[in-house]
Amino acid sequence: DQQVKQNSPSLSVQEGRISILNCDYTNSMFDYFLWYKKYPAEGPTFLISISSIKDKNEDGRFTVFLNKSAKHLSLHIVPSQPGDSAVYFCAAYFGNEKLTFGTGTRLTIIP
Amino acid sequence: GAGVSQSPSNKVTEKGKDVELRCDPISGHTALYWYRQSLGQGLEFLIYFQGNSAPDKSGLPSDRFSAERTGGSVSTLTIQRTQQEDSAVYLCASSDLYGGSGANVLTFGAGSRLTVL
Repeated sequence: DQQVKQNSPSLSVQEGRISILNCDYTNSMFDYFLWYKKYPAEGPTFLISISSIKDKNEDGRFTVFLNKSAKHLSLHIVPSQPGDSAVYFCAAYFGNEKLTFGTGTRLTIIP
Repeated sequence: GAGVSQSPSNKVTEKGKDVELRCDPISGHTALYWYRQSLGQGLEFLIYFQGNSAPDKSGLPSDRFSAERTGGSVSTLTIQRTQQEDSAVYLCASSDLYGGSGANVLTFGAGSRLTVL
């Protein structure tokens, strides 16, 4: 069962515009959500996290929004830059459990 | 070292052979994780270590897969009698389990790409 879902395999955005990446989850026990970014031939790198008791967390150009009633979170990148082109993974965990990842969204920033 | 180190970075092997993949976590990180990413797929959890013990092995796909961790540091993932469906990038990550930030942030290595012919 896919507890964390990223339904858009790919997304293209013009440089300078906002990129919005979406993630849905089914397990209401999750208490932390994280976004990772992955370049080819590299391991995923941590971007930003949000606790289940918050609805927004911001770090520079990156903002994560959490809607617990809809079991939905999104990552906003503004303004988008060419270096943001990568695969983005949404992940979640509860307690001391493992991090469960979505299938990823490939973001392409068009110059 | 400063990051998570994995070796080999690339491994090509013949079906039926055994392979060992090594992970050197960040010094002081008590938790160590193995994931794999098959072509076009997301990250699939394999096993998690807390110290030298593995509280969660639920992701190991079959009994051909095993892992150990010694001295609370280096870990080895062993795949016996490799099959073509084992071809994937095997990623290791470590964490210090909530070291102050609130979230359990895993730091990943660059991965070991395994190709089984």
